[in-house]
Amino acid sequence: GAGVSQSPRYKVAKRGQDVALRCDPISGHVSLFWYQQALGQGPEFLTYFQNEAQLDKSGLPSDRFFAERPEGSVSTLKIQRTQQEDSAVYLCASSLVGGLRLNEQFFGPGTRLTVL
Amino acid sequence: GNSVTQMEGPVTLSEEAFLTINCTYTATGYPSLFWYVQYPGEGLQLLLKATKADDKGSNKGFEATYRKETTSFHLEKGSVQVSDSAVYFCALSEGGGAQKLVFGQGTRLTINP
Repeated sequence: GAGVSQSPRYKVAKRGQDVALRCDPISGHVSLFWYQQALGQGPEFLTYFQNEAQLDKSGLPSDRFFAERPEGSVSTLKIQRTQQEDSAVYLCASSLVGGLRLNEQFFGPGTRLTVL
Repeated sequence: GNSVTQMEGPVTLSEEAFLTINCTYTATGYPSLFWYVQYPGEGLQLLLKATKADDKGSNKGFEATYRKETTSFHLEKGSVQVSDSAVYFCALSEGGGAQKLVFGQGTRLTINP
């Protein structure tokens, strides 16, 4: 079956531009996560949705970062006024259930953002 | 805060060698522990997990035991293959419904024939 998909796979932006990154989770998955992975590092948590509710946004590095999941399915991560330090791979993951039950997160291929 | 520290890479071994990649963690409460693998050109995949102390996770010949007394979750495989070449990430998930993953920095493994 279809896994988590992300688009675009690659994005080049000039400093100061706004970008929008899309994540299509596995159909029926309740939980959705965004992570940021800098070159040579492990992914770092940005934000978490359970259905359409954004339950944790403690990892967003600044108020230039904004995420939404209005219908509890597709999610968009928006970065305003991009800076060079925003260059990274942005990973989306989804899992079947939320709440207290631990379950596997399935990762998408990521969007590689390069800010010039 | 919670953190994961992994053995620095890159690690290069010959086929059929024994593999250990060290992972230690710092956490409050009782985290679950994971190893994820990223093969060249592919996304992160769950390799194995352990949810409580003394649990052993295993998959594809890899094993890791959750050691609370040493706060460790070292990854081992008895005989590696060229196809095991990848980047390996140790991670923890905080308990109590906070499912976000905290990752180590990753260890690149290369297996030569």
